[in-house]
Amino acid sequence: DGGITQSPKYLFRKEGQNVTLSCEQNLNHDAMYWYRQDPGQGLRLIYYSQIVNDFQKGDIAEGYSVSREKKESFPLTVTSAQKNPTAFYLCAIKSHVGFLGYTFGSGTRLTVV
Amino acid sequence: SQQGEEDPQALSIQEGENATMNCSYKTSINNLQWYRQNSGRGLVHLILIRSNEREKHSGRLRVTLDTSKKSSSLLITASRAADTASYFCATDAGAGGTSYGKLTFGQGTILTVHP
Repeated sequence: DGGITQSPKYLFRKEGQNVTLSCEQNLNHDAMYWYRQDPGQGLRLIYYSQIVNDFQKGDIAEGYSVSREKKESFPLTVTSAQKNPTAFYLCAIKSHVGFLGYTFGSGTRLTVV
Repeated sequence: SQQGEEDPQALSIQEGENATMNCSYKTSINNLQWYRQNSGRGLVHLILIRSNEREKHSGRLRVTLDTSKKSSSLLITASRAADTASYFCATDAGAGGTSYGKLTFGQGTILTVHP
């Protein structure tokens, strides 16, 4: 999807298990974002990162963790503390210069089994 | 928190008709953006309007912004079946610092265009 890749497309998690969602980009954008989307709902911000080795909590960070060790990668871990993790997870990237909009990945659908 | 409220929640029209979707927001913004999402896919950026602009066009899309009423509308003219999707408005408060570039999305309008 235009330089941003999310994987896997589908993910199943057992109760009490941590899972990690991948987001990789090759557009050299500085900012990366994780959003959660529930059926029929808009997007809610989980975590975001403006630069490497720095990230900020969004509106619904509880039960999630992230890292930003490389500019290209912003993985999201859904921990066992997240009691209702079933949702569609979207990663987005943005440049600090020029175009002010987001480029989104194709998403990961996480289901608890 | 959801800044944007979109109206209507769902819209069903015939091909060739125009579709109008509205978005209201609560706080001051730097810009407002509209995105489209096909079922089960990521969002695609459609158009951006800055706070000092009142109207913007892109192909069959027309966006208006009224900052005094904190509202925006997206008009799709001569709709096609392929326009069937969910449409979201998103606001950029442009607060600077670590909030720079953070978008807040509305809940979306589901548009169905019947052939």
